[in-house]
Amino acid sequence: DTAVSQTPKYLVTQMGNDKSIKCEQNLGHDTMYWYKQDSKKFLKIMFSYNNKELIINETVPNRFSPKSPDKAHLNLHINSLELGDSAVYFCASSEVGVSGNTIYFGEGSWLTVV
Amino acid sequence: GDSVTQMEGPVTLSEEAFLTINCTYTATGYPSLFWYVQYPGEGLQLLLKATKADDKGSNKGFEATYRKETTSFHLEKGSVQVSDSAVYFCALSSGNTGGFKTIFGAGTRLFVKA
Repeated sequence: DTAVSQTPKYLVTQMGNDKSIKCEQNLGHDTMYWYKQDSKKFLKIMFSYNNKELIINETVPNRFSPKSPDKAHLNLHINSLELGDSAVYFCASSEVGVSGNTIYFGEGSWLTVV
Repeated sequence: GDSVTQMEGPVTLSEEAFLTINCTYTATGYPSLFWYVQYPGEGLQLLLKATKADDKGSNKGFEATYRKETTSFHLEKGSVQVSDSAVYFCALSSGNTGGFKTIFGAGTRLFVKA
């Protein structure tokens, strides 16, 4: 069973469209994250939720809106997509305070905006 | 604020060569330290970790020792294989049950030639 699963894995869309990426974790963790990885592999945190509450919101355009219906799910909705949004988006989860906060990542969603 | 600096890549080695990837950090308090590995087309996965000074993390022939005096956590492997080709990320995590923050280094790409 996949611990952190996200869909879709690949997404090609036109500028201006709105798209969503879904994420689910079956590890029973209370904290979930969205990370963005650019073409140079640099990893940047976007959002962090703890028990459905937003606790980290880095400098991200408000076109990006996370939603956590329950602590096992954290979806990412992106409005008015721009070319610069092309990247790999990783969902992740962790159990705060356990094992130094080891993070478990999904396999990534490759977003290409054309 | 907290930060992680790791050596720039790419690092290219021949099979069975010795590997060192340097990582240094700055942090207040006592962070946990991690190495994550990202194989092509996949998400990051934990390679090894150390939660306190002088701890040695090890996995799959890789080792790293938490050195508080030099604020370092260098990754080493005595004999690399082609299958070790990947991007390696050093990371630190600090905080408490009220909230943890994980900071990743920029990643170091390793190529191993047969």
